[in-house]
Amino acid sequence: GDSVTQMEGPVTLSEEAFLTINCTYTATGYPSLFWYVQYPGEGLQLLLKATKADDKGSNKGFEATYRKETTSFHLEKGSVQVSDSAVYFCALSEEGGSNYKLTFGKGTLLTVNP
Amino acid sequence: AAGVIQSPRHLIKEKRETATLKCYPIPRHDTVYWYQQGPGQDPQFLISFYEKMQSDKGSIPDRFSAQQFSDYHSELNMSSLELGDSALYFCASSRGLDLYEQYFGPGTRLTVT
Repeated sequence: GDSVTQMEGPVTLSEEAFLTINCTYTATGYPSLFWYVQYPGEGLQLLLKATKADDKGSNKGFEATYRKETTSFHLEKGSVQVSDSAVYFCALSEEGGSNYKLTFGKGTLLTVNP
Repeated sequence: AAGVIQSPRHLIKEKRETATLKCYPIPRHDTVYWYQQGPGQDPQFLISFYEKMQSDKGSIPDRFSAQQFSDYHSELNMSSLELGDSALYFCASSRGLDLYEQYFGPGTRLTVT
């Protein structure tokens, strides 16, 4: 079945540091890929998405590129802020089925210190 | 903009009791997904509905049932609760079988004692 593997946390950075959170996936077809963010005590928010190979999703300074050859969708940000502290989930949704349930990775806790 | 509404936000039950969680999707969204997130875990898909019909079923225990009503809201019914059912339960909605975006509610935190 489909699966998502993302780097284990926690990740602790200083403000303005560069962020990379690795994500790789296994899927039978051609999935769409997502990054969701969960702030403390809140629900999941879609951060960015990419629906086909070589697409780059971007939002709020975060970006990720759909790499079919390496089955990866790594999240990057050039300069993190304290307000970026949250749990980040990589997820996929398989195309072609009768529904589009999300399969999530285990999540990576990011803490950004001032 | 209107978001997904879940109620209650917090629920405390004892073992073997029942619980009902409610989800009100974004207006004009006709698809609802339920996910369970255990402590420190990733969300796991439970069940989904499209146009009031079950569209897929994941790792939902037989003790749980769910339905989607004519106004598109959905309810997750949980019986014979166990300690392991303690989790955050998310509902997400989308318009049609939208591949590209599910909008999540804030979740219901269920604690079973």
